[in-house]
Amino acid sequence: DTAVSQTPKYLVTQMGNDKSIKCEQNLGHDTMYWYKQDSKKFLKIMFSYNNKELIINETVPNRFSPKSPDKAHLNLHINSLELGDSAVYFCASSQSALNTEAFFGQGTRLTVV
Amino acid sequence: AQSVTQPDIHITVSEGASLELRCNYSYGATPYLFWYVQSPGQGLQLLLKYFSGDTLVQGIKGFEAEFKRSQSSFNLRKPSVHWSDAAEYFCAVGPSGNTPLVFGKGTRLSVIA
Repeated sequence: DTAVSQTPKYLVTQMGNDKSIKCEQNLGHDTMYWYKQDSKKFLKIMFSYNNKELIINETVPNRFSPKSPDKAHLNLHINSLELGDSAVYFCASSQSALNTEAFFGQGTRLTVV
Repeated sequence: AQSVTQPDIHITVSEGASLELRCNYSYGATPYLFWYVQSPGQGLQLLLKYFSGDTLVQGIKGFEAEFKRSQSSFNLRKPSVHWSDAAEYFCAVGPSGNTPLVFGKGTRLSVIA
């Protein structure tokens, strides 16, 4: 039973398209995150939600819009995709926003062509 | 702002040899420190964590790490490396409310026969 699951695992799309990545956690955690991992493996926080409320919004183009319909889900919608959006996107969750480990999904490899 | 430095981008060790991966952190308060491992094409798996107490912490897969406040370090060690340990290793600090889990740039470990 996967703790943090993301769909799809792979996503290939053309520039200009709009796409969504879904994330669900069954751990009962309050906090969820989206991280972007670039081609050099660097992990950068994009967003964090705690109890469905946005608490961290790093410098991310507003083409990226997270949505948390409930505590167990945090989806990422991307408008007008650009070549530079190609990366691996990781969803994660933690029990709280304070001093607890994060559990990661398997990642979604997005390729924009 | 909190930050993590992993000075070694790539390390190669022989199977059976000992391993030490370096991690230095910058954090304003008592740090909460983590080591994660990422196998090719996979998500991140928590190896071990330090919150407080004994400065030598044991993790999964035979790994351990030692917290040294005076050196702002949290180095990861393993006495005998196996070929299956080849992966990317990330040190991380946090999270703390509005500050997310911050990762170092990772160290890629290669294991040779």
